[in-house]
Amino acid sequence: EAAVTQSPRNKVTVTGGNVTLSCRQTNSHNYMYWYRQDTGHGLRLIHYSYGAGNLQIGDVPDGYKATRTTQEDFFLLLELASPSQTSLYFCASAPGAGNQAPLFGEGTRLSVL
Amino acid sequence: QQKVQQSPESLIVPEGGMASLNCTSSDRNVDYFWWYRQHSGKSPKMLMSIFSNGEKEEGRFTVHLNKASLHTSLHIRDSQPSDSALYLCAASKDMGYKLTFGTGTSLLVDP
Repeated sequence: EAAVTQSPRNKVTVTGGNVTLSCRQTNSHNYMYWYRQDTGHGLRLIHYSYGAGNLQIGDVPDGYKATRTTQEDFFLLLELASPSQTSLYFCASAPGAGNQAPLFGEGTRLSVL
Repeated sequence: QQKVQQSPESLIVPEGGMASLNCTSSDRNVDYFWWYRQHSGKSPKMLMSIFSNGEKEEGRFTVHLNKASLHTSLHIRDSQPSDSALYLCAASKDMGYKLTFGTGTSLLVDP
């Protein structure tokens, strides 16, 4: 069964701290995405990738870096976390062919104090 | 400004009733629309997609698309309490590779 696994599921850090959110998909999908979800804003795309080593800028990239180390693994890095980055983060993957919409992971709730 | 606008923001329908949700894109380059459903505390799950003008029905769910106006609507008949969720509309210029989401419609089905 297709799956996208995120870790950790919950994270608390302090302002200025470093945070890495991890995402792994075992679906052989080419495309992977990082979204954040905030009340009143819906889901907003941070970064996405077409494959290992590829990175594309999304709609709200400021303050975030991402790296796609393998076909399966996509990481989101917050190097100087700020309270404005407190949010629910979702990773998703899509095959890159056909009409299959992105499949989402279960989310990581991040609090920056 | 949100490129994908959804209305209403929230909706209450009685159990067994019809729920109608709307979505419009202000980006004229989009070609594909998806509807996702997100139950409280869960991740979004794709509900239906529509790429051509017209109507598509799957069980109690029907979607319409008017590509000229870039408007899509989702209709849920015989609504059930389990349909209570946040419904997200998404649009893209190509086959799902960069989706732009609306802010969602929160549906409550009153038993």
